[in-house]
Amino acid sequence: DVKVTQSSRYLVKRTGEKVFLECVQDMDHENMFWYRQDPGLGLRLIYFSYDVKMKEKGDIPEGYSVSREKKERFSLILESASTNQTSMYLCASNGASGHEQYFGPGTRLTVT
Amino acid sequence: RKEVEQDPGPFNVPEGATVAFNCTYSNSASQSFFWYRQDCRKEPKLLMSVYSSGNEDGRFTAQLNRASQYISLLIRDSKLSDSATYLCVVNIRNSGYALNFGKGTSLLVTP
Repeated sequence: DVKVTQSSRYLVKRTGEKVFLECVQDMDHENMFWYRQDPGLGLRLIYFSYDVKMKEKGDIPEGYSVSREKKERFSLILESASTNQTSMYLCASNGASGHEQYFGPGTRLTVT
Repeated sequence: RKEVEQDPGPFNVPEGATVAFNCTYSNSASQSFFWYRQDCRKEPKLLMSVYSSGNEDGRFTAQLNRASQYISLLIRDSKLSDSATYLCVVNIRNSGYALNFGKGTSLLVTP
């Protein structure tokens, strides 16, 4: 069964802290994605990666960075968390030949 | 201009009703189209892909009109379990599989 896991379901951090959100997929997928989802704004793409050590900016990359050192793991980093980064963060993956994206359960991040 | 637009609803319908959602997209180079379903506090999951010829999966029918740049989803004989948010999704990038999501249409099916 397809599985995308995220390191935390809920996270509370303080303004200015460095935050790591981890995502792991067990499907040997080439492509991995990070989105944030906010009420009234829908899902917005932050960053994505087509291969190890490769990354591309999505629609809202400001304030975020990513790391993909291994094929199965894609990390989202908030260098200095701010309150406007309070959101639901969703990781997704898909294979090189398929369009269906499989999502993790999400991490609800609150920055105080 | 928003790239993928949907009526947010909510659509409140009784069990057994037929309900239709529409979605418009702005980029004529869009290549792939999908409907995803998202339950409350859950992650989105693929409901069905949308093909040019139209396609059906049980009670669900999806249609694509490339000339008018809209996509539709028809749900027949609505069930309580159909209550969810339905996301219209388009691949508008020329390379790779990054997807652009609409904000979703909320459906509530009532007894």
